[in-house]
Amino acid sequence: QTVVTQEPSFSVSPGGTVTLTCGLSSGSVSTSYYPSWYQQTPGQAPRTLIYSTGTRSFGVPDRFSGSILGNKAALTITGAQADDESDYYCVLYMGSGISVFGGGTKLTVL
Amino acid sequence: EVQLLESGGGLVQPGGSLRLSCAASGFTFTSYAMSWVRQAPGKGLEWVSGISGSGDGTYYADSVKGRFAISRDISKNTLYLQMNSLRAEDTAVYYCAKVAGYHNDYGMDVWGQGTTVIVSS
Repeated sequence: QTVVTQEPSFSVSPGGTVTLTCGLSSGSVSTSYYPSWYQQTPGQAPRTLIYSTGTRSFGVPDRFSGSILGNKAALTITGAQADDESDYYCVLYMGSGISVFGGGTKLTVL
Repeated sequence: EVQLLESGGGLVQPGGSLRLSCAASGFTFTSYAMSWVRQAPGKGLEWVSGISGSGDGTYYADSVKGRFAISRDISKNTLYLQMNSLRAEDTAVYYCAKVAGYHNDYGMDVWGQGTTVIVSS
């Protein structure tokens, strides 16, 4: 069974830029997987940042961007702010109606 | 404004059943696929089930296949998740989510606040 992989944790300095990635245990991620990205703080519902690789969800600032980098999907945050400290999840569409979440990345801003 | 409001969660014994509902408003319900996503205590998010805009396509994670059934009532703009043969590992917050397209491929763009299901004797 293919697993969706994410970095367990990452840290960034305030004002800095960070790129989180979303890969596959076997194979490469392409736009055909329609990668999407979600932000979640403890006790809150997820918030959609990006869907279909690079489309920002309504109200999401343009310092969040999605792309394909090499063989992975990527979420880049520029000008990191304190309230960006959250868990970030990616989802890949596996075909036949099935989606799979990655294990999530805990982002620390310090 | 697009809104999703889940209900139906609660405490149920192992082997029991529960039906979750998600009332949708602010968009054309039949134009978008819908999904259920859950999060066990202290764990990550898990995609559970999806349904196409028309309702003719239904999809399930292996962990719930054969036990859960997703459906939608277009007259009530409501999404459902019928959960049978519940297990302790089904304990989670269940979120309803609108998909950004007609099929389940684009990713989810709007989320409800979640409803809690506890499976315990």
